[in-house]
Amino acid sequence: SQTIHQWPATLVQPVGSPLSLECTVEGTSNPNLYWYRQAAGRGLQLLFYSVGIGQISSEVPQNLSASRPQDRQFILSSKKLLLSDSGFYLCAWSGGAASQYFGPGTRLLVL
Amino acid sequence: AQRVTQPEKLLSVFKGAPVELKCNYSYSGSPELFWYVQYSRQRLQLLLRHISRESIKGFTADLNKGETSFHLKKPFAQEEDSAMYYCALSGGGADGLTFGKGTHLIIQP
Repeated sequence: SQTIHQWPATLVQPVGSPLSLECTVEGTSNPNLYWYRQAAGRGLQLLFYSVGIGQISSEVPQNLSASRPQDRQFILSSKKLLLSDSGFYLCAWSGGAASQYFGPGTRLLVL
Repeated sequence: AQRVTQPEKLLSVFKGAPVELKCNYSYSGSPELFWYVQYSRQRLQLLLRHISRESIKGFTADLNKGETSFHLKKPFAQEEDSAMYYCALSGGGADGLTFGKGTHLIIQP
């Protein structure tokens, strides 16, 4: 069966520091991959999605970037974190249909 | 632009009472609609999708294109239904989901 992992689970970083969040999927090949952010009091906002290695689509302009170096690996990065980057980051995958399956999330606090 | 609206941030009902979580959407084409649920300390999980027309954990949701709604219903609430519920929309294909802000459902004993 398919599983999706995210790490770290929790991260506290100073303003201006870099960021790297990792998401991996097991048990499927060529998944569509997604990064969402949930800020306090708001719903989930789509940040990036990828339909294949090296293919990244960005939904909103921001301080973050995404990369997909391998078929089942999706990375969310920043060169310099801002306070407003704090939030709960969720990775999700789909097999081509619209239904998406979510990882456990990473809680990021920027101080 | 597509949008999903969940008008209630918090909904509290007593055990055994009927539950209805409201969801309205705005989309120019034919969307796919979903309900996701997040129980305490668990990950977000798919509850049901409109094209399946199924009942999951006693919950059902009917897509009403005239009213652009996809309300989630359960005739008799149970305490284990307490959770955050998110309505979501997809335009199809590989595009991501557009989520509502969620409704926190509390079932009182």
